[in-house]
Amino acid sequence: NAGVTQTPKFRILKIGQSMTLQCTQDMNHNYMYWYRQDPGMGLKLIYYSVGAGITDKGEVPNGYNVSRSTTEDFPLRLELAAPSQTSVYFCASSRTSPPGGTQYFGPGTRLTVL
Amino acid sequence: EDQVTQSPEALRLQEGESSSLNCSYTVSGLRGLFWYRQDPGKGPEFLFTLYSAGEEKEKERLKATLTKKESFLHITAPKPEDSATYLCAVLSTGSNYKLTFGKGTLLTVNP
Repeated sequence: NAGVTQTPKFRILKIGQSMTLQCTQDMNHNYMYWYRQDPGMGLKLIYYSVGAGITDKGEVPNGYNVSRSTTEDFPLRLELAAPSQTSVYFCASSRTSPPGGTQYFGPGTRLTVL
Repeated sequence: EDQVTQSPEALRLQEGESSSLNCSYTVSGLRGLFWYRQDPGKGPEFLFTLYSAGEEKEKERLKATLTKKESFLHITAPKPEDSATYLCAVLSTGSNYKLTFGKGTLLTVNP
């Protein structure tokens, strides 16, 4: 049981480039989330999904897009990368909605935009 | 707007020296308060969920308590392996899925 896996672990992008951060969970969880963690700041919710085909915006969605075609996968797309998107990105999943649904986090993707 | 403030920002303890971390929160109504542990270069790891004032939960050397305005994470006789950043988060009645996180407390336990 691998839990939540994320790829890549590290990435450097140039301004204006695009990329997709991959997230997969093998726990058959319905709920999935994308967070970003900036140095010295709390985690902030970017997007979330309550099931395959259903996604919604979180607190800081601008500059990002998501899709959820399967229960297992929840990729995060960055279009036209900007320095402000330099951050560590965490994907998480839970069996049920919070507060009862414990969120399990992946190991993160460290992204630098130069 | 929901707010979470954690203190201190950093805490250095000697092995065996008990102490507490504080999480003060402001929400319209509390649905849950969460404690996570985060090791360097890794994702947060769930520790506890507290739902109402007066509730307490324990796990090994950790005990979390909750009042109407704050939560404490008590660490009894810590060991070096307890060194990590401890995160507090809240879910309010005005938010379906958005947890508001604090900035964390970096705990270092010296042998």
